[in-house]
Amino acid sequence: AQTVTQSQPEMSVQEAETVTLSCTYDTSESNYYLFWYKQPPSRQMILVIRQEAYKQQNATENRFSVNFQKAAKSFSLKISDSQLGDTAMYFCAFKALGTGGFKTIFGAGTRLFVKA
Amino acid sequence: DTGVSQNPRHKITKRGQNVTFRCDPISEHNRLYWYRQTLGQGPEFLTYFQNEAQLEKSRLLSDRFSAERPKGSFSTLEIQRTEQGDSAMYLCASTPEKGATEAFFGQGTRLTVV
Repeated sequence: AQTVTQSQPEMSVQEAETVTLSCTYDTSESNYYLFWYKQPPSRQMILVIRQEAYKQQNATENRFSVNFQKAAKSFSLKISDSQLGDTAMYFCAFKALGTGGFKTIFGAGTRLFVKA
Repeated sequence: DTGVSQNPRHKITKRGQNVTFRCDPISEHNRLYWYRQTLGQGPEFLTYFQNEAQLEKSRLLSDRFSAERPKGSFSTLEIQRTEQGDSAMYLCASTPEKGATEAFFGQGTRLTVV
């Protein structure tokens, strides 16, 4: 069975600063996706960034980038130039390829506060 | 199409009552997923459909829970004889069958059992 662990329940950062959210996972699968999803207060969850496990290059989407360490099963999210709109719950998630449709395993989340 | 739609957004019910939630997926998506999210936790998978066929059910989906997708479009999730432990956010997501690279989520239905 796969598990996803987020060890930081809450974090805060000053506007314009950089913050890193941590995530570790456990799996025996070799082909999978990893995701970071953002859930703003009272709004739907949206994808922030996706990493395919077979790709060595770390994914980047504008101010968001990941540090994917496959051997260590670590997948952290770095948010640069933090903005007030980044305040949200962030979930690290795992999906094995080839099974269960798009059934996704989520971590418990990290609540991020961006302070003005 | 404005995305995955869930109704109602909020539901308060008394213990022992039955409740039903509805999810309308993105129209061209033939896969639909239900998750439950309790306070302070991430979403937990409940079940998923491909068209009208329910392909997988989690052990979390007790006998009091039933999900349907009769025509392969919208889905309903019914909880019978609700218990206080059923209080949670119920999320729906959809994807296409082929080429999916992310799941698209609705805003959820927040259930409070009093």
